[in-house]
Amino acid sequence: DGGITQSPKYLFRKEGQNVTLSCEQNLNHDAMYWYRQDPGQGLRLIYYSQIVNDFQKGDIAEGYSVSREKKESFPLTVTSAQKNPTAFYLCASGGWDSNQPQHFGDGTRLSIL
Amino acid sequence: GQNIDQPTEMTATEGAIVQINCTYQTSGFNGLFWYQQHAGEAPTFLSYNVLDGLEEKGRFSSFLSRSKGYSYLLLKELQMKDSASYLCAVKWNTGFQKLVFGTGTRLLVSP
Repeated sequence: DGGITQSPKYLFRKEGQNVTLSCEQNLNHDAMYWYRQDPGQGLRLIYYSQIVNDFQKGDIAEGYSVSREKKESFPLTVTSAQKNPTAFYLCASGGWDSNQPQHFGDGTRLSIL
Repeated sequence: GQNIDQPTEMTATEGAIVQINCTYQTSGFNGLFWYQQHAGEAPTFLSYNVLDGLEEKGRFSSFLSRSKGYSYLLLKELQMKDSASYLCAVKWNTGFQKLVFGTGTRLLVSP
């Protein structure tokens, strides 16, 4: 079945450590997105990519990095510079037709040890 | 700015009808999505509105007034499984499908 796969489902980070969240899609979508969700807040855009080898900062990109080497994959690295990384991270993808909805993965919950 | 306002929380009874409102800045508006999200899960798409009027999909309907910067999601014949957060997301004329999400409305359906 087509969809978006995020892994791991739960992740723990130690102080000063970088961690990478995986996102893979087989929907043949050109665009991919990373969002962060905190309690009581809406989804906030971290990074997005319209096409392979290109990506743009979203509203809260500081302390995060991404790569888009393949159409299917858009990993997110939470660096040690992100001082408050505890959150629910959601990856999404969408086609060029902007009237079509974005499709979301099941999310990764990141916590600090 | 691109502010989106939704009520934080609503309660309703099984079998009833509930309306969840969403207001947004009209300048540059280019479409509005409603998503349902159960706790700890991925948001799932419910509806899309870009023109004025009502879109009906089974028990769920969504309405849009572009001139008023207003949308609502109407849920009929409420079921316990409808207890979830409902996210309003707006697309503005940024040349790309970048969405801005409201904070979501948490709906609690009681027996």
